[in-house]
Amino acid sequence: QVQLVESGGGVVQPGRSLRLSCAASGFIFSGYGMNWVRQAPGKGLEWVAVIWYDGSNKYYADSVKGRFTISRDNSKNTLYLQMNSLRAEDTAVYYCARETPAADWGQGTLVTVSS
Amino acid sequence: QSALTQPRSVSGSPGQSVTISCTGTSSDVGGYNYVSWYQQHPGKAPKLMIYDVSKRPSGVPDRFSGSKSGNTASLTISGLQAEDEADYYCCSYAGNWVFGGGTKLTVL
Repeated sequence: QVQLVESGGGVVQPGRSLRLSCAASGFIFSGYGMNWVRQAPGKGLEWVAVIWYDGSNKYYADSVKGRFTISRDNSKNTLYLQMNSLRAEDTAVYYCARETPAADWGQGTLVTVSS
Repeated sequence: QSALTQPRSVSGSPGQSVTISCTGTSSDVGGYNYVSWYQQHPGKAPKLMIYDVSKRPSGVPDRFSGSKSGNTASLTISGLQAEDEADYYCCSYAGNWVFGGGTKLTVL
């Protein structure tokens, strides 16, 4: 069955960087677009970024454009989110999700931006 | 990329029907037939309940249905059950993707 496992979350100071990973299994990873979606504590869902199946196209929410970079390594079945210049408002659980609409989600990894 | 507008909360008794609205603009909900709905229980990942306005993924009960009129999409849950109590989010294609603010469904 489809499995998505995020990792890399933690506590980081404002202005610093963090890289999240999402290990995929149970499907042909290279055949699907992938998304990052986040959820601030007690708040709603926010789409963050999408990458096409072959990495040829990437799109970002305005709130992270220029600071976050989505990428993938199809040889490792892994999705990444490089987060730079982190702000307090980036504090959230970050989910990876397969395709859009997303029928498959990971369990999420918590990123806390705090001094 | 403004969030779609949902009521903050709705409620209903077991067996009743409830409808959750999701209002956007002609640039998102009204412009594409790509509205989806997600159910989220506390501490859990979202679950896809409806996609492409009215299609149900395999395994989702037919008590859940979706529709759209103009710039407003709706999720209707009929025959409410206790396990339907959760947060519900709409999502629409808008060039990129935009979610609604979420609606808390309480089963009385």
